Amino acid sequence: GQNIDQPTEMTATEGAIVQINCTYQTSGFNGLFWYQQHAGEAPTFLSYNVLDGLEEKGRFSSFLSRSKGYSYLLLKELQMKDSASYLCAVRDRGDYKLSFGAGTTVTVRA
Amino acid sequence: GAGVSQSPSNKVTEKGKDVELRCDPISGHTALYWYRQSLGQGLEFLIYFQGNSAPDKSGLPSDRFSAERTGGSVSTLTIQRTQQEDSAVYLCASSFNPGTGDNYGYTFGSGTRLTVV
Repeated sequence: GQNIDQPTEMTATEGAIVQINCTYQTSGFNGLFWYQQHAGEAPTFLSYNVLDGLEEKGRFSSFLSRSKGYSYLLLKELQMKDSASYLCAVRDRGDYKLSFGAGTTVTVRA
Repeated sequence: GAGVSQSPSNKVTEKGKDVELRCDPISGHTALYWYRQSLGQGLEFLIYFQGNSAPDKSGLPSDRFSAERTGGSVSTLTIQRTQQEDSAVYLCASSFNPGTGDNYGYTFGSGTRLTVV
């Protein structure tokens, strides 16, 4: 399995930027995923990185450094609806399941 | 269906009773996964199905837990003789294929919140 670490909680102001870091250890890396989960709802897919670099999708961007075992999710122009838990998940090479971190709860304040 | 459907959405049961949780994946998705999410914990892998077979049951916590999938579609997770520590949200997800070499992520259902009293 992997040791996937991400901060427990973060708070930011509406309109600001927040960066959620995720570190992992794996024997054979084959992809890192970010999911968003609102309270009481299903996790929904946000992004996927398998090569080093930045993937941008509108207000959300995800970065990966395989050599450092490190990723971050960048949320720009924060909106109140972005208040949610953000889950980092890793897949091993040759594996099929995802291993999830405990999630980071982001609270956006007016 | 359009999404992954789970039932019931909430289940309260007495300690010692058996419960069955149902998952109806997206039509055409061959891979199906069960996860458990406890308060403040990450998603804990339970079991993976490819078609009707379960190549990996390694996450099932004890022999009180079992799961089956029929017709390459609906899956049922059964917990026998429930204990209080079984209280959690049980999430089902499906994907087009196991995705070992591509970026097929999961589509999750909304989960079943199980409370054992």
